[in-house]
Amino acid sequence: AQSVTQLDSHVSVSEGTPVLLRCNYSSSYSPSLFWYVQHPNKGLQLLLKYTSAATLVKGINGFEAEFKKSETSFHLTKPSAHMSDAAEYFCAVERDSSYKLIFGSGTRLLVRP
Amino acid sequence: GAVVSQHPSWVICKSGTSVKIECRSLDFQATTMFWYRQFPKQSLMLMATSNEGSKATYEQGVEKDKFLINHASLTLSTLTVTSAHPEDSSFYICSAAPATSGATDTQYFGPGTRLTVL
Repeated sequence: AQSVTQLDSHVSVSEGTPVLLRCNYSSSYSPSLFWYVQHPNKGLQLLLKYTSAATLVKGINGFEAEFKKSETSFHLTKPSAHMSDAAEYFCAVERDSSYKLIFGSGTRLLVRP
Repeated sequence: GAVVSQHPSWVICKSGTSVKIECRSLDFQATTMFWYRQFPKQSLMLMATSNEGSKATYEQGVEKDKFLINHASLTLSTLTVTSAHPEDSSFYICSAAPATSGATDTQYFGPGTRLTVL
């Protein structure tokens, strides 16, 4: 069975500094992995996805993530945080090629001025 | 871009009553819609998958008689919480997959409905 673990419930960074949101996955095969962002009162928005092509995936708003099979990780990064990046971020894995998603518990990103 | 709406955004009801939540794809047709439940500070948990014109598929542990799902058209799915109790209080989120695309990478999420049962 697949699962994802988001290692930090809260991450706080200063504006202009790098962002690192950590996600580890468990799967018996190479899964499809996703990062979503949820702003208050808004629906989840897809940031990026990995589907067994390039291991470094570039997404929207300057975010990227690297799939590391040896570490079973799919961490989300951004070189320079903006105030508008403050939100809840969810890592997700596709379940058994079923088009169904299993979400991590979420990481709340706080950006300090 | 593709937009999914949910109505209502917030509802309070008395214990024992039923509540209907609508999920609409506003500018695309959705073959498949998913319903999730999110408890405070927790992850989204998939409740059921609905396909237009057929019965919904429920995840293990989800009572299909309590959470009635109807996907009568390609733009509308409804979730009815029957005989709601306080433990049903939660944030309910739907997502919709366009009819012409693979479901996973093009699921569009609604903003959610907060249900409070008194």
